[in-house]
Formats: sequence, structure tokens, C-alpha cells
Amino acid sequence: AQSVAQPEDQVNVAEGNPLTVKCTYSVSGNPYLFWYVQYPNRGLQFLLKYITGDNLVKGSYGFEAEFNKSQTSFHLKKPSALVSDSALYFCAVRVSGYSTLTFGKGTMLLVSP
Amino acid sequence: DGGITQSPKYLFRKEGQNVTLSCEQNLNHDAMYWYRQDPGQGLRLIYYSQIVNDFQKGDIAEGYSVSREKKESFPLTVTSAQKNPTAFYLCASSGDRGSYEQYFGPGTRLTVT
Repeated sequence: AQSVAQPEDQVNVAEGNPLTVKCTYSVSGNPYLFWYVQYPNRGLQFLLKYITGDNLVKGSYGFEAEFNKSQTSFHLKKPSALVSDSALYFCAVRVSGYSTLTFGKGTMLLVSP
Repeated sequence: DGGITQSPKYLFRKEGQNVTLSCEQNLNHDAMYWYRQDPGQGLRLIYYSQIVNDFQKGDIAEGYSVSREKKESFPLTVTSAQKNPTAFYLCASSGDRGSYEQYFGPGTRLTVT
């Protein structure tokens, strides 16, 4: 079975400061990892993914994530937060050979002016 | 929200009535998915289909039914057997040709009273 944990329900950061949203996973096999963002009453938007290769993945809107196999983590980062980054963020995992994603429960990011 | 449309955006029904949620995609994707989102619980997979005329149950299929008669369409019926149908429903699709990520529609908020 595969699972994803997002240990923080909410992350608060001031505009201009760096942000980190944490994600850890548990799978049997090679993981494919994803980050999505959701604005209120909207669908999920894809931000970035790790499939293979370089452990540091760059995505949309200046976000990046680092795959750490030994710590089974895939934390989302951004060097300088914007108020417009305030949203609900989901981490998801998929195992090679399977088509379904397992999502974490989400982390609300609040960026204050 | 890409090339996936869900209609309607808001839906109200009386308890005991079946209701069908529409999902259409023009991305030529083989796989389609239905998720349910409740506050604090992330996304949970209801049904998925990897090819026309075939579909599989997800984690919470009880009280739901689907059909996949066309590649572009994957409607979800919420039956009267679903004990707690009020939720935000999201449809997604994926190409599974090296892209791996899923693309989401804008969602339908169903309220049953």
C-alpha cells in the first residue's frame, strides 16, 4: 500500500520569506511524486513532479521540490513567498506500473503581507 | 483547469434522489478518475477508468456508479445508497504516455438536503 503524509495542516509565512511545505511518503517500489495547488472552489493545478533523475525538481510559479530517497521526503519550497501563493497544497504519490495517485490531506499555506 | 469540463459547478438535490455529475475531456487521454474531497481529508478515489468500457473501483466506491462509453466522457452517478453525498467532486484525466500527472477539472459541489 502507498501513503502520503503532510504533517502540517497549516503553514504561515511572511511575504518575501522562504517557504517549505513538507511531504513524506511510503511506497513499495519506485515512487513518482507530485505537488498540486488548489485555490478556493477550484480544481487542482499541477505544480511539479519527480519521476527520475535530478533530485531537485523545478516547477511552475517559482516552486521547487527536493526528492530525498533516504528520508522518503519530497518537500515543496520557494525562495520568496508571495501573498498570491496562499492556497491549499497537496502532495501525491504513484508507484511505477500503477495509474492511481494517493494524495496527502493537504496543507494550507497562508502568506501574510 | 485545462481541457476538462465538469458540469454543473453547483448541484442541489433532495435526499433519496440519484444525481449524475458530468465530466468531459478533450485531451485525448485514455485514463479518467473521480475523486471526492471533504474538508481535512484530502482527495479520495471513487472510480477510475483506463480504457473505454472498463472501469475499476477506488477506495470509496460504495453508493456510486460510473460508465465509460466514450473516451471523452466519464459520468459519475451518486445514488441514494451513498450515506453522506454532500461533498466537492473532482474529475481528472491522464495520458499515461510518459507524462504521469493527472489534470483536473474545476469540480462540482454537490449539496444533498
